[in-house]
Amino acid sequence: AQSVTQPDIHITVSEGASLELRCNYSYGATPYLFWYVQSPGQGLQLLLKYFSGDTLVQGIKGFEAEFKRSQSSFNLRKPSVHWSDAAEYFCAVGEDGNKLVFGAGTILRVKS
Amino acid sequence: SQTIHQWPATLVQPVGSPLSLECTVEGTSNPNLYWYRQAAGRGLQLLFYSVGIGQISSEVPQNLSASRPQDRQFILSSKKLLLSDSGFYLCAWNRGGNEKLFFGSGTQLSVL
Repeated sequence: AQSVTQPDIHITVSEGASLELRCNYSYGATPYLFWYVQSPGQGLQLLLKYFSGDTLVQGIKGFEAEFKRSQSSFNLRKPSVHWSDAAEYFCAVGEDGNKLVFGAGTILRVKS
Repeated sequence: SQTIHQWPATLVQPVGSPLSLECTVEGTSNPNLYWYRQAAGRGLQLLFYSVGIGQISSEVPQNLSASRPQDRQFILSSKKLLLSDSGFYLCAWNRGGNEKLFFGSGTQLSVL
């Protein structure tokens, strides 16, 4: 069965510091992988997705993620965090247009 | 503890038939409720959200409607399904705009 683990429930980083949010998945085939962000008062927004090809995926708002098959990971990174990045981030695995399984989410706090 | 129930898990419906998907939340009161859809190539779209009984906000014009007849019940409906309504539908809840989001298990809808 598909599953997604986001081991960090909360992360606090200083503004301007680098960020890495961890995501590990379990999936029987080559997965479709997604990162979503929920900002306060807004719905989920797709940051980036991986279907195939280059394992380093560029997304919106300066985010990127790297698919590592050997580690079953799809960690989200950003070189310099802005205060507006404070939100909850969700990793998901599934098939495009079909069932998605979400991780429990990581709440990012940014301190100035 | 709070739980969210969404059913059915899978559904195959003919074009032109009606639709009713149900989502209920237990263990909390006055939650914010959300309906999302994942359609192929488009990531997760917010369809409807509700901050209280009878209060529904629609994010995208479409063939679907939502209702909230009770505090912890959120229903997604259609009078006549279209092929383009196929996709994965996800219900979610939280306590407010910047609170943690919790997901149902989703409904895979195939319209044939």
